[in-house]
Amino acid sequence: GAVVSQHPSWVICKSGTSVKIECRSLDFQATTMFWYRQFPKQSLMLMATSNEGSKATYEQGVEKDKFLINHASLTLSTLTVTSAHPEDSSFYICSARPGLRVGEQYFGPGTRLTVT
Amino acid sequence: QQQVKQSPQSLIVQKGGISIINCAYENTAFDYFPWYQQFPGKGPALLIAIRPDVSEKKEGRFTISFNKSAKQFSLHIMDSQPGDSATYFCAASGGDSSYKLIFGSGTRLLVRP
Repeated sequence: GAVVSQHPSWVICKSGTSVKIECRSLDFQATTMFWYRQFPKQSLMLMATSNEGSKATYEQGVEKDKFLINHASLTLSTLTVTSAHPEDSSFYICSARPGLRVGEQYFGPGTRLTVT
Repeated sequence: QQQVKQSPQSLIVQKGGISIINCAYENTAFDYFPWYQQFPGKGPALLIAIRPDVSEKKEGRFTISFNKSAKQFSLHIMDSQPGDSATYFCAASGGDSSYKLIFGSGTRLLVRP
C-alpha cells in the first residue's frame, strides 16, 4: 500500500515552454501533497504544500507564479513549471500524506526535468 | 531551530558490518522521526520511523535508536549488504499543522562486497 506515482518520469522541454507534472496517490486519499526539488547529491528542498481544494502554500524563495500547483482531488496534484529556463532543470519529487497518519509521507518516483 | 543535522556525509562499510548514521535536532516540538532510503534517480522510500514515546524501534535489519534528552536519533543497519548502498535521509516533523518534513543533508552509504 501507500503508492504514489508521478508522470512523466522524465521530460525534456525547450526554454520558454511550460511543463506539467502529475502526482497521484494510487491506493489512498492524500489530505496533503508536497512538492520537492532535489539537485544532484543534495537533500530534498520543499517547494510547496498543497491541500485538496485550497491554494498551495509556497516556501520562502519559491516563485508561485513560476511553479503553479493544483490539488484538484484527494488523489491528484499537479505542478506546472511555467516559462521554463535551463536553471529549472532538476529532479522534482512529490509526496503525499494519508490523512489519518500524522507525519507519514510517501514519495513518488520523481520526474527528471531538463530544459534546453 | 528547524534544522536536522545528519552525519556522516558518507560512509563505507564492509558486507556484514553495521552501518550507523546519526541525526540531531533542536526543535523539541518534533514528534515524528522517519528515515528514508533513496537510490539514484528514484524517489525516497520510507524505511522506518519512530515517535518520541519509545527509545528504539526495530524492523528487520534496520533499527532506530532515539534519545529524547539528547535530541538525537540514529539508524543502525545490521548485517549491511551491497544492496543497501544508497543515500539515507533522516527527517523530522511536528509542532505545527503543516506536517512538513525537515530533512537532514543525507548520508551516502557504500557497502563493499
